[in-house]
Amino acid sequence: DQQVKQNSPSLSVQEGRISILNCDYTNSMFDYFLWYKKYPAEGPTFLISISSIKDKNEDGRFTVFLNKSAKHLSLHIVPSQPGDSAVYFCAASARGSGNTPLVFGKGTRLSVIA
Amino acid sequence: DVKVTQSSRYLVKRTGEKVFLECVQDMDHENMFWYRQDPGLGLRLIYFSYDVKMKEKGDIPEGYSVSREKKERFSLILESASTNQTSMYLCASTTQGPPYEQYFGPGTRLTVT
Repeated sequence: DQQVKQNSPSLSVQEGRISILNCDYTNSMFDYFLWYKKYPAEGPTFLISISSIKDKNEDGRFTVFLNKSAKHLSLHIVPSQPGDSAVYFCAASARGSGNTPLVFGKGTRLSVIA
Repeated sequence: DVKVTQSSRYLVKRTGEKVFLECVQDMDHENMFWYRQDPGLGLRLIYFSYDVKMKEKGDIPEGYSVSREKKERFSLILESASTNQTSMYLCASTTQGPPYEQYFGPGTRLTVT
């Protein structure tokens, strides 16, 4: 049973426009959420995170929004650049449950077209 | 900067061979993880370890074992490699407290023929 779902396997966006990547989760114990970016033949790199006590976190062109009641989070990239083309993974953690591993979604492949 | 290194970027092995994948981190992290990444399946957790000589099964441990004799090193072992173990293998580490981000190595692309 997938606890973290990324329902869009792929997304194409024009350069300069906004990219919105979505993630849903089912486990109400999750209290910390992260986004990772992965280029082919490389390991994932951490992008941005958000704690459940917040509903928004911003870092430069990247903003993550959390809607706890809907169990939904989204990553906004504005403006999108060709170098943003990668696979993006959403991950969640239940820190209050002790030392548990991150649970990852299946990823969304973003293509930014110049 | 946290550095997680993996022994090989690319590896080709034959069916039935015993395969060792090594991972080393240099930030004194307590937790270490092994994942495999396959198209359409995302990152799936194979094994993890919270301390030296400790190990826990992840979601897909069958056909794999692990070893953690030293804090900085976490090894993944394929006892008898099979073609369905052809995949990208990723090692990660993190502290037990904040920040909770996992730091990943560059990955090992394993092909079993």
